Amino acid sequence: EAQVTQNPRYLITVTGKKLTVTCSQNMNHEYMSWYRQDPGLGLRQIYYSMNVEVTDKGDVPEGYKVSRKEKRNFPLILESPSPNQTSLYFCASSIPGTTTEAFFGQGTRLTVV
Amino acid sequence: AQSVTQLDSQVPVFEEAPVELRCNYSSSVSVYLFWYVQYPNQGLQLLLKYLSGSTLVESINGFEAEFNKSQTSFHLRKPSVHISDTAEYFCAVPSGNTPLVFGKGTRLSVIA
Repeated sequence: EAQVTQNPRYLITVTGKKLTVTCSQNMNHEYMSWYRQDPGLGLRQIYYSMNVEVTDKGDVPEGYKVSRKEKRNFPLILESPSPNQTSLYFCASSIPGTTTEAFFGQGTRLTVV
Repeated sequence: AQSVTQLDSQVPVFEEAPVELRCNYSSSVSVYLFWYVQYPNQGLQLLLKYLSGSTLVESINGFEAEFNKSQTSFHLRKPSVHISDTAEYFCAVPSGNTPLVFGKGTRLSVIA
């Protein structure tokens, strides 16, 4: 089954404690991205990657890091989480091009206290 | 850069009534337009898309959207909603290197 898998689904952590949210896709997609979803703000892109070892900032990259060492994986790293990073996070993948469908993971609800 | 505006953040509607969720996009050049749906506690999934050809596109669950170039709109409609349509709906458009830029979403609540 074609899918994007995120882990964990739920996470509560304390300010300053480094964490990683994993994302994996089994569709051999070149393009992967991370979004955060906040009430009233919709989805905002954090980082994206057009292929292995190629990453770039989205609209809200501050406080986040990513890496793309393999085509299927695109982890999101919060080196020192803060309460304003409490949000619902989605990973997505697609093939390159503006007409293609993006496939989303189930989401990771992060709470930073 | 392209952008989309969803004019309504929340739309309550009674079951079996019609509904329209509004979306306007920012550019008058050729565009591709998408509607995604997010059911409670789930990720987003594609509902329908306009790429070219007929300006009226349909989904398998009875929604339709019409691309209107003169009004730069891509409104989503359904003639009779069901409780199961309760969800958040996002309009999206590709922009530059970003596959998708999303609107802020419209939460559709269907009331029995």
